[in-house]
Amino acid sequence: GNSVTQMEGPVTLSEEAFLTINCTYTATGYPSLFWYVQYPGEGLQLLLKATKADDKGSNKGFEATYRKETTSFHLEKGSVQVSDSAVYFCALPVYNQGGKLIFGQGTELSVKP
Amino acid sequence: GAGVSQTPSNKVTEKGKYVELRCDPISGHTALYWYRQSLGQGPEFLIYFQGTGAADDSGLPNDRFFAVRPEGSVSTLKIQRTERGDSAVYLCASRETVNTEAFFGQGTRLTVV
Repeated sequence: GNSVTQMEGPVTLSEEAFLTINCTYTATGYPSLFWYVQYPGEGLQLLLKATKADDKGSNKGFEATYRKETTSFHLEKGSVQVSDSAVYFCALPVYNQGGKLIFGQGTELSVKP
Repeated sequence: GAGVSQTPSNKVTEKGKYVELRCDPISGHTALYWYRQSLGQGPEFLIYFQGTGAADDSGLPNDRFFAVRPEGSVSTLKIQRTERGDSAVYLCASRETVNTEAFFGQGTRLTVV
């Protein structure tokens, strides 16, 4: 079956620190992979995506590379800001089931000034 | 509208009561999804509509849960005989097609007391 596993949080970092949030997946075939972000009081937003192996998705200073060999899609940012404090979700779509999304459990990030 | 709208934003109900949660998708989006997010977890798929029909309801936990989308736009998630375990945030998402970005509403926080 399809599943997504994320590193557990919460993660607390100081401003300008380096961020890695691990995500591994199990899937049939090679689906697209997504990172969603949920800022306090807001809905889920797509942060970045990669549609095939070795693709790198990037947005707002965040990056993630689709690694087929390790079935991973780790989220990274070189220098986090207080405004990055949010919950981050790794997800994959199941296209033969209407594109429904399978989410990881989420990783809460707290960035301190 | 500009985004996916869900109402109410918060709902407190007594155990055993019936509730309806509403989702207004982005205009023109034919695909609509309901997810449930329990505290500290990622969203879990409930049901997917393509147009007016429920194409996949495999995520509905039991027959107390039902959803409709009679005109292919607004959808209502209905929960009968609510239980305390139904307490969660219910999220709605819509997209133009199954291959395009899914946009999420801010969710309805349901609390069953």
